Amino acid sequence: QKEVEQNSGPLSVPEGAIASLNCTYSDRGSQSFFWYRQYSGKSPELIMSIYSNGDKEDGRFTAQLNKASQYVSLLIRDSQPSDSATYLCAVNTGTASKLTFGTGTRLQVTL
Amino acid sequence: GAGVSQSPSNKVTEKGKDVELRCDPISGHTALYWYRQRLGQGLEFLIYFQGNSAPDKSGLPSDRFSAERTGESVSTLTIQRTQQEDSAVYLCASSQGPALNYGYTFGSGTRLTVV
Repeated sequence: QKEVEQNSGPLSVPEGAIASLNCTYSDRGSQSFFWYRQYSGKSPELIMSIYSNGDKEDGRFTAQLNKASQYVSLLIRDSQPSDSATYLCAVNTGTASKLTFGTGTRLQVTL
Repeated sequence: GAGVSQSPSNKVTEKGKDVELRCDPISGHTALYWYRQRLGQGLEFLIYFQGNSAPDKSGLPSDRFSAERTGESVSTLTIQRTQQEDSAVYLCASSQGPALNYGYTFGSGTRLTVV
């Protein structure tokens, strides 16, 4: 079992819809969870962090964490074509000092 | 500096040659990381520096790979006797403290092509 798993997609949503991106992780001791956005040919950019169970909202983005189910998700409201990118889930696994990344979900927002 | 700076941005080298990749982290960031991303794949951890020491180098794929950091600042990743499978984007990231608290800021990467 991979430490951090994501569906590779592509996930296609129409403009204005809600995009829901999911991630599961294997290390029950993980404490910190991050979402990165990576445009094609660019480096990953941190967009959200979440540490406690529940929801955390930042603008059009909402991160959701359920430690009991070892599940973290990212919701993007009012999706825009500029949101089309690969979204990487990152988790600290086994150590405070290092993040393990999922392989990412490619999101396509269609006009 | 304002961000994580990597050089060169692109490097084409012949199989068997040595290459050096450089990373200049954000000023004051004590933690520095190297990752590799092959085309269409995820981020593969290579090595982590805290200050000038490397407490975790578990991701270095072979003894052809080495890295150092000096002055708690610049880091170089050296690949000796390059092979075609080394072709990838090499990403450097830095963090002002433990990754679980701060996450990483990535540089723009070095695209290495071994021909």
